[in-house]
Amino acid sequence: AQKVTQAQTEISVVEKEDVTLDCVYETRDTTYYLFWYKQPPSGELVFLIRRNSFDEQNEISGRYSWNFQKSTSSFNFTITASQVVDSAVYFCALSEARSGGGADGLTFGKGTHLIIQP
Amino acid sequence: DVKVTQSSRYLVKRTGEKVFLECVQDMDHENMFWYRQDPGLGLRLIYFSYDVKMKEKGDIPEGYSVSREKKERFSLILESASTNQTSMYLCASRSQPISYNEQFFGPGTRLTVL
Repeated sequence: AQKVTQAQTEISVVEKEDVTLDCVYETRDTTYYLFWYKQPPSGELVFLIRRNSFDEQNEISGRYSWNFQKSTSSFNFTITASQVVDSAVYFCALSEARSGGGADGLTFGKGTHLIIQP
Repeated sequence: DVKVTQSSRYLVKRTGEKVFLECVQDMDHENMFWYRQDPGLGLRLIYFSYDVKMKEKGDIPEGYSVSREKKERFSLILESASTNQTSMYLCASRSQPISYNEQFFGPGTRLTVL
């Protein structure tokens, strides 16, 4: 069975600090997809990034970067020069590919509540 | 922009009532999902539908049923609401067929069962 672990329940940093959110996953499939979502106080989950299991390239998007390492089954998320608007709950999620198509849900971690203090 | 809407942001029901949570998406997505979100547990999949009139159980289907009569609408039904179904319910949609595509979420319905 697939599993996603976000060991950090809550992180609090001061604005402009860098912060890394950890995500460790378990799956028996060789083809799978990893996602990060942000849930601001308004409640609606916002998609941030996806990565498939064949693509281990790190990605940078502005102040956000992601480090995918299959060797350690990790997909960590770093925010550089954090801002108050980054305060939210962040979820890491895993989806396994299904042969023959069809839908499947995401397996989510329990989320990390990130608090950026001014 | 993809839009997923849910019929209510907040809902209060009594134990034993039949409850309908409605979700509508406007992007012609084939796949739709219902999750519940609880503190300390993250999001858990209740049911999903990969097309009209199709449905599959997720990880925690007990006490719930679903209906997908039209492509854009996916309903979650609590046949007899209980207090342990007090939760935030999130609907999502995704275009078929591959798992690579991201899911788009609605704003959520916070259900309280008294």
